[in-house]
Amino acid sequence: AQSVTQLDSHVSVSEGTPVLLRCNYSSSYSPSLFWYVQHPNKGLQLLLKYTSAATLVKGINGFEAEFKKSETSFHLTKPSAHMSDAAEYFCVVSVTTNAGGTSYGKLTFGQGTILTVHP
Amino acid sequence: DGGITQSPKYLFRKEGQNVTLSCEQNLNHDAMYWYRQDPGQGLRLIYYSQIVNDFQKGDIAEGYSVSREKKESFPLTVTSAQKNPTAFYLCASSKEWGRTYEQYFGPGTRLTVT
Repeated sequence: AQSVTQLDSHVSVSEGTPVLLRCNYSSSYSPSLFWYVQHPNKGLQLLLKYTSAATLVKGINGFEAEFKKSETSFHLTKPSAHMSDAAEYFCVVSVTTNAGGTSYGKLTFGQGTILTVHP
Repeated sequence: DGGITQSPKYLFRKEGQNVTLSCEQNLNHDAMYWYRQDPGQGLRLIYYSQIVNDFQKGDIAEGYSVSREKKESFPLTVTSAQKNPTAFYLCASSKEWGRTYEQYFGPGTRLTVT
């Protein structure tokens, strides 16, 4: 079984200060990991993904995340927050499992972290 | 521009009525998905389709039905059997079915049933 825990339901930062959104995962197999962002009443947009290549992954809008297998973590960071970063962020894990002989990928979503950016 | 469209953005229905949510993609993706989002609960998978004319139940399929007659279309019907239908519904697609393929999401449909 796989699971994702986002350690903070809300994070508040000032504009121009660093952002850290924490994510721990549990998986019996080698996972792929994703971070998505969702602005109010919108769909989800992919920020970045890890699929067993480089452990430090760079994404859009200056975000990056580091896959740490020993800590089962995939924390999202950004050096300097911008007002437009205010949104909800989801950490997602995907593993390949088998159902009826067919391998497939299933996404498991974290509960989300709401990021507030103060001027 | 390629992408996923969902319509309508807002939908209101009376209890006991079936309602169908539209999802269309022009990304030429094989796999499509329907999720339900409730406040503080992340996304939960309702149905998925690996390829046209095939679909499988996700984690919370009860009270929902789908069809996949065309590659670009994956409509979701919320039936009167769904006990708590009011939610934000998101459709997604991926190039193929597998753990390394990211999913692309539509803008969502907010369904309110009274």
